[in-house]
Amino acid sequence: GAVVSQHPSRVICKSGTSVKIECRSLDFQATTMFWYRQFPKQSLMLMATSNEGSKATYEQGVEKDKFLINHASLTLSTLTVTSAHPEDSSFYICSAGRQGVFGSGTRLTVV
Amino acid sequence: ELKVEQNPLFLSMQEGKNYTIYCNYSTTSDRLYWYRQDPGKSLESLFVLLSNGAVKQEGRLMASLDTKARLSTLHITAAVHDLSATYFCAVMMKETSGSRLTFGEGTQLTVNP
Repeated sequence: GAVVSQHPSRVICKSGTSVKIECRSLDFQATTMFWYRQFPKQSLMLMATSNEGSKATYEQGVEKDKFLINHASLTLSTLTVTSAHPEDSSFYICSAGRQGVFGSGTRLTVV
Repeated sequence: ELKVEQNPLFLSMQEGKNYTIYCNYSTTSDRLYWYRQDPGKSLESLFVLLSNGAVKQEGRLMASLDTKARLSTLHITAAVHDLSATYFCAVMMKETSGSRLTFGEGTQLTVNP
């Protein structure tokens, strides 16, 4: 079946630095990938939709200059959290295509 | 705007009992998903329901979809402790900007011995 790989699984960074998270579709091509954020004990909230070869579509309230998304190929999308702050600490999960398959998630802790 | 509501949000049940989790959504959709999430983990896909009347079963879990009522159910039969997790339903909608998944709030299930 469809597999989505996400790296890293866990990252701790200092406040003010940037962190890049990768999402890859391993055995299929995805023109669209989705980035979600999940805070403890809450549901998943869609942050942005990543479209191959074009600009990402951000949800209301998500700063596009802070959460940079690049979808350079049909199998790879990246999310860069720029100038991270402690309030950005969360679980970030990607999904690829319409299969509804999710990556393993990235636990980001900003100290 | 699509709204997806699950109930109950918290469910504590004894092993061996049956129960149903409900998922209501507010607008027409072409597919509905059920996921399981264990603490600290990502989502595990359980079922994809594509048409009215669809019913899928895997082990002690059975999911159904009624698109006219905009309702999906996840039925648990003879629960066991290993089923303890949070269960999410998610509805996919086609929009002009593409397809997107909207999640319910999740149901935290605890199965007690």
